[in-house]
Amino acid sequence: AQTVTQSQPEMSVQEAETVTLSCTYDTSENNYYLFWYKQPPSRQMILVIRQEAYKQQNATENRFSVNFQKAAKSFSLKISDSQLGDTAMYFCAFGLAGSTLGRLYFGRGTQLTVWP
Amino acid sequence: NAGVTQTPKFQVLKTGQSMTLQCAQDMNHNSMYWYRQDPGMGLRLIYYSASEGTTDKGEVPNGYNVSRLNKREFSLRLESAAPSQTSVYFCASRGQGKSNQPQHFGDGTRLSIL
Repeated sequence: AQTVTQSQPEMSVQEAETVTLSCTYDTSENNYYLFWYKQPPSRQMILVIRQEAYKQQNATENRFSVNFQKAAKSFSLKISDSQLGDTAMYFCAFGLAGSTLGRLYFGRGTQLTVWP
Repeated sequence: NAGVTQTPKFQVLKTGQSMTLQCAQDMNHNSMYWYRQDPGMGLRLIYYSASEGTTDKGEVPNGYNVSRLNKREFSLRLESAAPSQTSVYFCASRGQGKSNQPQHFGDGTRLSIL
């Protein structure tokens, strides 16, 4: 079975600062992919960033980057130059590669608040 | 640019009533999913469908049924609603191809059962 753990229910950061959200996962599979989704107060689920397990290079999308440590089964999200609009619930998700079903396993989320 | 459309956005039911949540996607995706989101629990998979005509149970299927009506539509039915089914429900879809394809989500349905 695959599990995803987000150990920080809530975090806060001042605008323009950097914050890192933690995520660990458990799997016996070798090929998989990982996502971070953002859910602002509007309730939409928005893809932030994705990472394939076979890639050693950490994914980056503008101010968002990940620190993927495969051996440690860790997938943290770093947000640089935080903005008020980054205030949201952030979910880490795991999916198995090669699966036609494509189902995802989600963590319980981290509520991030960015304050002025 | 509709993407995944869910109806209704809000609904209040009485215990024992039935209800069907509708979901449609216009991205020609094969796979579709229904999740429920409860405070502190993240998203939990109720049912999913890899293709038209096939459905499978997820983590929390009890009390629900689904229908994959065609490639576009995937509905979720509560036959006899219970207060424990009060939640926010999300529908999602995913295309074929590379396994890193993300799921695309609808805006959710907030369902309250009294």
